[in-house]
Amino acid sequence: DAGVIQSPRHEVTEMGQEVTLRCKPISGHNSLFWYRQTMMRGLELLIYFNNNVPIDDSGMPEDRFSAKMPNASFSTLKIQPSEPRDSAVYFCASSPGTRALEQYFGPGTRLTVT
Amino acid sequence: AQKVTQAQTEISVVEKEDVTLDCVYETRDTTYYLFWYKQPPSGELVFLIRRNSFDEQNEISGRYSWNFQKSTSSFNFTITASQVVDSAVYFCALLNDYKLSFGAGTTVTVRA
Repeated sequence: DAGVIQSPRHEVTEMGQEVTLRCKPISGHNSLFWYRQTMMRGLELLIYFNNNVPIDDSGMPEDRFSAKMPNASFSTLKIQPSEPRDSAVYFCASSPGTRALEQYFGPGTRLTVT
Repeated sequence: AQKVTQAQTEISVVEKEDVTLDCVYETRDTTYYLFWYKQPPSGELVFLIRRNSFDEQNEISGRYSWNFQKSTSSFNFTITASQVVDSAVYFCALLNDYKLSFGAGTTVTVRA
């Protein structure tokens, strides 16, 4: 079975550009999470979806960040406009339940904003 | 508030040595779950173990073992007879409902 799929794996963009990160969760999982990993802040939860509905977006840093889950098999995280401080590794994870006891992480997208 | 502290930033050992990673947590919940994840140089996050707050039995899996002590709010992880492939960043995490709170991670370097 395929795990969580993220694309692109690496993204380099210039400040001010729009960036879209993509995630395909494991089939049958109804919870999806976006995390960001930086040296300064470590791993932090950005947003949590359950059954395609955003449940907790309190971790989204600011209005430049937005996330959508139009269906059970696809989610996007968009940054517009991007800034150098957005450079990080962004992980998507999915879980088969609401308690998130088994979160399976994707390989991550390494974003560099110059 | 949930908090996970991994006081050790980096540990360097020679192959075949044992290495113990410390994890101390804070929570007001009576029911909670603790995790260890491994992040090798390739960058992915690999799940290692999950324990719930009612199960304080220590666990051994191959060269890995875990010591959960509720009285001291600690969930320590030991790698026995370390190997170069164990070189990675190891994260301890605490789950509250759906939210995983991660520690800062401990970088383990195993030298041949």
